[in-house]
Amino acid sequence: LAKTTQPISMDSYEGQEVNITCSHNNIATNDYITWYQQFPSQGPRFIIQGYKTKVTNEVASLFIPADRKSSTLSLPRVSLSDTAVYYCMTNTGFQKLVFGTGTRLLVSP
Amino acid sequence: DVKVTQSSRYLVKRTGEKVFLECVQDMDHENMFWYRQDPGLGLRLIYFSYDVKMKEKGDIPEGYSVSREKKERFSLILESASTNQTSMYLCASSDRGPDNEQFFGPGTRLTVL
Repeated sequence: LAKTTQPISMDSYEGQEVNITCSHNNIATNDYITWYQQFPSQGPRFIIQGYKTKVTNEVASLFIPADRKSSTLSLPRVSLSDTAVYYCMTNTGFQKLVFGTGTRLLVSP
Repeated sequence: DVKVTQSSRYLVKRTGEKVFLECVQDMDHENMFWYRQDPGLGLRLIYFSYDVKMKEKGDIPEGYSVSREKKERFSLILESASTNQTSMYLCASSDRGPDNEQFFGPGTRLTVL
């Protein structure tokens, strides 16, 4: 059974770079890796998606090693507004949508 | 902007009641999903639909059913609510294909007494 694990929580300070790693040992060949951000009282919001190597967009980078058994979401220079829960997800088709349990990031001044 | 709306933000029901949770999306998306979110367990897929009148079971379909009569609307039904169905329910939609970005609604917090 596919399983996606990530740290329960992380603390950081404003201006620092934050790296959140997700482990997905049973990832399938066709799986993509997607990260979502969730604020209190809101639904998750898409951040970034990748298949291999590195992907970068205006808010984050996603690093995926060659074996694809893990992935790291990198948030450059976090601010207080980045305090949220971050979920990684792997999916091979609809019936293999597997979310991690979420990492609660707290950014302090 | 994509908008996914859910009929209620908070709902309180009694054990044994039939419960309907409604979800509407305005982006003409083919795919719609229902998840439940519980502390320490993340999001778990209950049912999904990739077309009108089509539905497929997710990881935890027991005790739930769904209905998709129109493309923009996806309903989750609890035939006989139980206390272990107290949870946050999230609806999402996405464009065709399983890898596409999902857009989530704000969630419905259901309490079953």
